[in-house]
Amino acid sequence: AAGVIQSPRHLIKEKRETATLKCYPIPRHDTVYWYQQGPGQDPQFLISFYEKMQSDKGSIPDRFSAQQFSDYHSELNMSSLELGDSALYFCASSLPQGAGDYGYTFGSGTRLTVV
Amino acid sequence: AQKITQTQPGMFVQEKEAVTLDCTYDTSDPSYGLFWYKQPSSGEMIFLIYQGSYDQQNATEGRYSLNFQKARKSANLVISASQLGDSAMYFCAMREGTGNQFYFGTGTSLTVIP
Repeated sequence: AAGVIQSPRHLIKEKRETATLKCYPIPRHDTVYWYQQGPGQDPQFLISFYEKMQSDKGSIPDRFSAQQFSDYHSELNMSSLELGDSALYFCASSLPQGAGDYGYTFGSGTRLTVV
Repeated sequence: AQKITQTQPGMFVQEKEAVTLDCTYDTSDPSYGLFWYKQPSSGEMIFLIYQGSYDQQNATEGRYSLNFQKARKSANLVISASQLGDSAMYFCAMREGTGNQFYFGTGTSLTVIP
């Protein structure tokens, strides 16, 4: 079965550079979520999109922005990278249902290292 | 207040034995979902099991079962007949009502000993 596809799998950037992470949700999933997991930490919610509109916002820094495109894929843009941005970035997708569903599938993540 | 609490940073279990990973949650929303995910060293987040707040029976998925005690707000994961491949981080998570985000616990690192 098709899963959530994230690219790239690994990314190394220097401080103050920019990075773009991509996420391709499961077909027919129209809601996309981004999470950041620092080393030894639990995943922290960044932002979500439903039908190309931002639906919820978590602890996303102002240096980051994201959007969802007409084909439902999403991109997380990160500027002025800092060492502390080094983390595993997960994308997940789901159908727009409430609690009681488990159609919330994570991608394999993008490991960003800022040097 | 922490919405999901996992009090066991690390656990060891002998191969073929059962192990229980603890999870307590905090919510005032009557409708919520509880999830367990496995994260091996490779990093991907693998869905294991789900329990809805209105489900009458404990969820089971193969060797995984969820011991859901609603009054105590606990959702412990039981892994039966542990295998070496079960060694990983395990995260408990909750989604409230129609909310978008998951709240994760800090995880439990499980090591299965041969």
